[in-house]
Amino acid sequence: DAMVIQNPRYQVTQFGKPVTLSCSQTLNHNVMYWYQQKSSQAPKLLFHYYDKDFNNEADTPDNFQSRRPNTSFCFLDIRSPGLGDAAMYLCATSSSQLSGGYTFGSGTRLTVV
Amino acid sequence: TQLLEQSPQFLSIQEGENLTVYCNSSSVFSSLQWYRQEPGEGPVLLVTVVTGGEVKKLKRLTFQFGDARKDSSLHITAAQPGDTGLYLCAGGRGAQKLVFGQGTRLTINP
Repeated sequence: DAMVIQNPRYQVTQFGKPVTLSCSQTLNHNVMYWYQQKSSQAPKLLFHYYDKDFNNEADTPDNFQSRRPNTSFCFLDIRSPGLGDAAMYLCATSSSQLSGGYTFGSGTRLTVV
Repeated sequence: TQLLEQSPQFLSIQEGENLTVYCNSSSVFSSLQWYRQEPGEGPVLLVTVVTGGEVKKLKRLTFQFGDARKDSSLHITAAQPGDTGLYLCAGGRGAQKLVFGQGTRLTINP
C-alpha cells in the first residue's frame, strides 16, 4: 500500500546532541511537510517542500533544518535539541492541489534528556 | 493568531449519545478537511469539503461546510468508544498549506 513512513517511531536524544528524523513516501506526491505537535495542541507547520523548493515558516527556529534529496525522502535535522523541542514530529505529503488532503506518517516521538 | 477555532476543546460523553463539533473562522477557505488522530499516531483524513453548503456523510459521521466557506461542523450519531480520538479541522487557502484548528479531544465512555 502507498504510504508515508517515519523512522524512528521513538527517538531519545541528549540535550544539544544533533538528531535526524526521516520520512519516506511511496505516493509520489510532490509536496512534503514537517509538523511539530505538542501534547493536545494542533500540529504546527515547520516547513514544506514543493518538489525541490524549500519553504520555511517565518517562526520556525534556525535550529530546525530540512533536506529533501529526492521525491521519496525528506529529513528533519535538529541541530541542538533543547528540552522545549520534545514533541511528536509528523511528516505529511500531498499532491499540489491539496484536494486529496494530507497523508500523514505515524510520527516520531522525540524525547530530549 | 489561531485562524481556525474548534469547539469544544474537550468532550466526554456516553456511548450512544449524539454530538457536534464546530470549526469556525473569520477567513474563507477553498477547502476544509477533518482528520482523526489516535494517541501515538498521525492524523488520518476523514473527509474533504470544497463547496459552500456541502454535506458529506461517512457512516455515522456527518460533515457540513458553511455556505460562506468559513466554518464547518462534524456531527456524530450514536457515538461509540471507537470514535474516541482527537478531531482536527484544517482549512486550505490555495498554495499547498493547510491551517489546523487546535483540535477537539473526544472521549466516548462505554
